Amino acid sequence: EVQLVESGGIVVQPGGSLRLSCAASGFSFDEYAMQWVRQAPGKGLEWVSLISWDGGSTFHANSVRGRFTISRDNSKNSLYLQMDSLRPEDTALYYCTRAAVPVNTDAFDIWGHGTMVTVSS
Amino acid sequence: DIQLTQSPSSLSASVGDRVTITCRASEDIYSWLAWYQQKPGKAPKLLITAASTLHTGVPSRFSGSGFGTDFTLTISSLQPEDFATYYCQQANTFPITFGQGTRLEIK
Repeated sequence: EVQLVESGGIVVQPGGSLRLSCAASGFSFDEYAMQWVRQAPGKGLEWVSLISWDGGSTFHANSVRGRFTISRDNSKNSLYLQMDSLRPEDTALYYCTRAAVPVNTDAFDIWGHGTMVTVSS
Repeated sequence: DIQLTQSPSSLSASVGDRVTITCRASEDIYSWLAWYQQKPGKAPKLLITAASTLHTGVPSRFSGSGFGTDFTLTISSLQPEDFATYYCQQANTFPITFGQGTRLEIK
């Protein structure tokens, strides 16, 4: 079964750091681009970061650039999001998602259940 | 950044109705548009890729059309399980952006 399982979400103080992880299974992880999408409570979807299949290219939303870093370890079938200088507006459910087609980055068909990050003092 | 504006923001309809949701891009995105469905407490589900290609396993009552800046998602005959929030997403240019969502409710 194709599956993505996120972990690492907790309550953290403003200015703190956190690393989210996403464990992939059931497919050839090293063939697919991956991304993080977040959703604040009661709000819409917001794209956060994307990484190419080989990790050679990364892209971040303006709102997180310079604070968040996406990475992957294809040997461990894992995706990561290092989150630094956290702000209250980063509070959201963070989804790990997989590109629908190997190498492509236009649509994402597999989503995890999400991991909740709360930034609050 | 490319802005995506969905209309309407919310919509009430009945089972069996034909429904159309519009997504307008602030600049040309060719066919780089996807549609997602999200139900409360669940992760989004991919419906349409490349503006008009039905994703695997998605019922044929869903269809997408459009090119450039104007796109539509149509549900030909609403079923009870279709009541959800729908999002468009562009991937022509980074940063990837989503529309604000259209909430489809039962009348």
